[in-house]
Amino acid sequence: AQSVTQPDIHITVSEGASLELRCNYSYGATPYLFWYVQSPGQGLQLLLKYFSGDTLVQGIKGFEAEFKRSQSSFNLRKPSVHWSDAAEYFCAVGGGGSARQLTFGSGTQLTVLP
Amino acid sequence: NAGVTQTPKFQVLKTGQSMTLQCAQDMNHEYMSWYRQDPGMGLRLIHYSVGAGITDQGEVPNGYNVSRSTTEDFPLRLLSAAPSQTSVYFCASSYGTAGEQYFGPGTRLTVT
Repeated sequence: AQSVTQPDIHITVSEGASLELRCNYSYGATPYLFWYVQSPGQGLQLLLKYFSGDTLVQGIKGFEAEFKRSQSSFNLRKPSVHWSDAAEYFCAVGGGGSARQLTFGSGTQLTVLP
Repeated sequence: NAGVTQTPKFQVLKTGQSMTLQCAQDMNHEYMSWYRQDPGMGLRLIHYSVGAGITDQGEVPNGYNVSRSTTEDFPLRLLSAAPSQTSVYFCASSYGTAGEQYFGPGTRLTVT
């Protein structure tokens, strides 16, 4: 069965600083990988996804992520964080060789200091 | 399009009561699923459906039933609520095996 680990429960950065959120996955084949963002009291919004091809994927709101098969990682990055980026971020992997039956990590809470 | 809608937004139940959480989508997606979100645990898959009349269990199905009589609707039933089912429940839908999953706004359920 697949699994996802987000080792950082909480990260604090200053506005304008760069950001990297870590995600490690366990899956036997080429995974379908996702990053979602959740603002307080809201549903989940897809930031970006990786299925195949270029290992550096661009998403919405200036986010990008890099798939590294050798490290089983899919870290999320942003060069300059805005106060509105404060939220919880979830990494997920699809099951059964598809984008369905997602297994989520436990999430990383991002705080942005002014 | 309304996307994925869920009702109610909030619900308080007493232990042993039953209820149905409603989920509907208007995007003609064949795949629908239910997740629960608990603090520090991310989202966990309860049940899913790949089309009308077809359902299957996810990671945490105990205490929940589902059915899929139409493409649009995928209700989640709690037969006898327990405090351990206090959670936020999200419904999602997608098209095709590689389609993006669209999430509903969630239902916050408290069982006392």
